[in-house]
Amino acid sequence: QSVLTQPPSASGTPGQRVTISCSGSSSNIGSNAVNWYQQLPGTAPKLLIYTNNQRPSGVPDRFSGSKSGTSASLAISGLQSEDEADYYCAAWDDSLNGHVFGTGTKVTVL
Amino acid sequence: QVQLVQSGAEVKKPGASVKVSCKASGYSFTNYGLTWVRQAPGQGLEWMGWISGYNGNTNYAQKFQGRVSMTTDTSTSTAYMELRSLRSDDAAVYYCARAPRHYFDYWGQGTLVAVSS
Repeated sequence: QSVLTQPPSASGTPGQRVTISCSGSSSNIGSNAVNWYQQLPGTAPKLLIYTNNQRPSGVPDRFSGSKSGTSASLAISGLQSEDEADYYCAAWDDSLNGHVFGTGTKVTVL
Repeated sequence: QVQLVQSGAEVKKPGASVKVSCKASGYSFTNYGLTWVRQAPGQGLEWMGWISGYNGNTNYAQKFQGRVSMTTDTSTSTAYMELRSLRSDDAAVYYCARAPRHYFDYWGQGTLVAVSS
């Protein structure tokens, strides 16, 4: 049972900008850093954004993250076909004393 | 380069236990924690718990308390996750991932666990 809510799907044409939201509460996003993971079909998740807006080495700057209050967002600018994947937000939850993941968003490139 | 290599697929009967291994290389094992995440077929990611690579301290998700054990063998840089009293809804791909802080930066390839009578 995910406590972080994401839209189930998002789509765009190549070159467009797509934004994915992640809604939480004061015990998770409201008080802790948000991370984002990309999962390509049939593969393990990959860290995409950490600590709200930091990109690991090798992640294109087309990907950006932000956080405000109890919500966070992932933006993909200049959408490419290889960006078709599932995207998950995640954060520590102080009430559960554990990590929680978002429900996941499937991005389709039209 | 950092690598996490997990053990192979398992088929278990309901009520049995499964133990998945995760062998780390390319970094100092005792300097990082490791986390375990599972993904049921067609479903999202679910955090199971964390273990310190330094001293073996653990933090399990409430859902798995009493049914999961996470251990490490620092001599071989290997982490283990054992899940007991398996049910059909435990069928999933189980991942280990390195946890430098509150995020998971390198992931294993996943281990498929099937539960069937």
